[in-house]
Amino acid sequence: QPVLTQSSSASASLGSSVKLTCTLSSGHSTYIIAWHQHQPGKAPRYLMKLEGSGSYNKGSGVPDRFSGSSSGADRYLTISNLQSEDEADYYCETWDSNTQGVFGGGTKLTVL
Amino acid sequence: EVQLLESGGGLVQPGGSLRLSCAASGFTFSSYAMSWVRQAPGKGLEWVSAFSGSGGSAYYADSVKGRFTISRDNSKDTVYLQMNSVRTGDTAVYYCAKRSSSSCYSHTDYWGQGTLVTVSS
Repeated sequence: QPVLTQSSSASASLGSSVKLTCTLSSGHSTYIIAWHQHQPGKAPRYLMKLEGSGSYNKGSGVPDRFSGSSSGADRYLTISNLQSEDEADYYCETWDSNTQGVFGGGTKLTVL
Repeated sequence: EVQLLESGGGLVQPGGSLRLSCAASGFTFSSYAMSWVRQAPGKGLEWVSAFSGSGGSAYYADSVKGRFTISRDNSKDTVYLQMNSVRTGDTAVYYCAKRSSSSCYSHTDYWGQGTLVTVSS
């Protein structure tokens, strides 16, 4: 089954950009993933679906500052013009016929 | 507006049972797969179970297989998670989640607020 690997933490300054990475395990490099944002004490929020081609579809109301891209087994979430409310945990998710849900370990983003 | 409202969480002793409910609104419930995802204290998200829109297929994480049962009542727009033989390791916030299609082979596109389950003696 696929495994998703994420860095445990990341940080960037207010107003700057940050690129978070989710890496698919060997043999699963073509998989589609989804990115989710989870702020403490709130419900997680779906951000986008991201394909291996780099094509992405964002969820309702997701700001233009959020974008996705792909390279090989890597799936990226880029947040531009960082705001304080972007401080959150970010998770990637994928699925296949053997497992209906797999999450990465999450990246804790700190906005400095 | 899609809304998912979980209920049923609480304190339960090891070996006990609990049933979680998730009332959905704002979309055609029967047309979408639903799942449960949990987050243990200080840990990340863990997929628990999923049920297809038609109700024909149910799936479970290995960690809960044989102990938890997912079901849905499309007449009540509600999905359930019956938790039996609970363990301390099941302590977590349980989130109800809507999938993007009737198939469980799809991503999560909406989440509930979660309900806390604490397994302790």
